[in-house]
Amino acid sequence: LAKTTQPISMDSYEGQEVNITCSHNNIATNDYITWYQQFPSQGPRFIIQGYKTKVTNEVASLFIPADRKSSTLSLPRVSLSDTAVYYCLVGADSGGYQKVTFGTGTKLQVIP
Amino acid sequence: DTAVSQTPKYLVTQMGNDKSIKCEQNLGHDTMYWYKQDSKKFLKIMFSYNNKELIINETVPNRFSPKSPDKAHLNLHINSLELGDSAVYFCASSQDEQIRSPLHFGNGTRLTVT
Repeated sequence: LAKTTQPISMDSYEGQEVNITCSHNNIATNDYITWYQQFPSQGPRFIIQGYKTKVTNEVASLFIPADRKSSTLSLPRVSLSDTAVYYCLVGADSGGYQKVTFGTGTKLQVIP
Repeated sequence: DTAVSQTPKYLVTQMGNDKSIKCEQNLGHDTMYWYKQDSKKFLKIMFSYNNKELIINETVPNRFSPKSPDKAHLNLHINSLELGDSAVYFCASSQDEQIRSPLHFGNGTRLTVT
């Protein structure tokens, strides 16, 4: 299983760009990198997924360097409503979610 | 419309009792899951169920039994509840078993065993 390491917590002011980096040194060739967001008292919500280089959607961008040993979730101009826990997951289609662990996540606190 | 709904939202019960949590998804997904989130916020997969095939996380006690009457429903039955079973239980679904199919979670059932 590819182990992931993220900062436990981060603070940011409203309007700033936030970058959360996840380390996954033993990522396998077929592994994808997926990020989820969890608000208090809710289940996690899918944000973005990528395999290499850069992926962007309406919510965030995901930057993956060539060696794929880390990835960075970028949230542009955060607001108070972005306060949540962000999880980085690494896994391959062949293993399914049985082979994926959510880890401790990064608790992002957005400050007014 | 709620995509993945689970009931009840809160469940308080005594040790030794048997309880069930229900889950329904209206997304037309083929795969459903149960996750457990403990007090330290670790989220661990308990079961996945795809096209009548059940995959069980081997660390889950056999007091926990999932039941799927059809692919839109995956219920969780727990026998002889213990204090350590207190946690938030999340149901989830995905189009198929592949990682490229995002998980859709319900809002959880907070189980408290006294």
